[in-house]
Amino acid sequence: ELKVEQNPLFLSMQEGKNYTIYCNYSTTSDRLYWYRQDPGKSLESLFVLLSNGAVKQEGRLMASLDTKARLSTLHITAAVHDLSATYFCAVDISRQLTFGSGTQLTVLP
Amino acid sequence: DAGVTQSPTHLIKTRGQQVTLRCSPISGHKSVSWYQQVLGQGPQFIFQYYEKEERGRGNFPDRFSARQFPNYSSELNVNALLLGDSALYLCASRAVDGIDYNEQFFGPGTRLTVL
Repeated sequence: ELKVEQNPLFLSMQEGKNYTIYCNYSTTSDRLYWYRQDPGKSLESLFVLLSNGAVKQEGRLMASLDTKARLSTLHITAAVHDLSATYFCAVDISRQLTFGSGTQLTVLP
Repeated sequence: DAGVTQSPTHLIKTRGQQVTLRCSPISGHKSVSWYQQVLGQGPQFIFQYYEKEERGRGNFPDRFSARQFPNYSSELNVNALLLGDSALYLCASRAVDGIDYNEQFFGPGTRLTVL
């Protein structure tokens, strides 16, 4: 059974600081996704990572994938309040997504 | 272009009742998947449909069923509702070829409350 573990589960950080969210998974896959979810809302796609060594950046967020280590990271640079949300990684096996438990990020002024 | 649409937005039912949730995929997308998200957890895969056929099923009881229509829209049915079925139900659509091939796009969800 595929297991996807995110850490930390809760993260409070000050504006302007950097931090990394980790996503470990237990089965070989070369497709991993990062989503953002605001309270009461649906999932917003952030990144699609399709190969070993893939790195994608959008604004203050950068995601990477190491398929050999079965690890993906979401790095936050110079956090701002607008980044406060819950972030999920999801591993794709046969187009069925298995999600991590999510990281609830709060950016404090 | 319209994204994935779901109806209704909110629904309140009582234990033992039945519910039907609806999803329309992005135009041109032929694959639809359903996910259940209980409060405070990540979404869990329920079903995947493509060309009106079930292509995948998650670890959910037989009370959960779904179907896909010729226009690729989909319905999720849940019978004999339990309190634990209270959740946000998300529909995702995916293209089977082209530039969007590797991405699933999620709808706004239907929030089901079982009393």
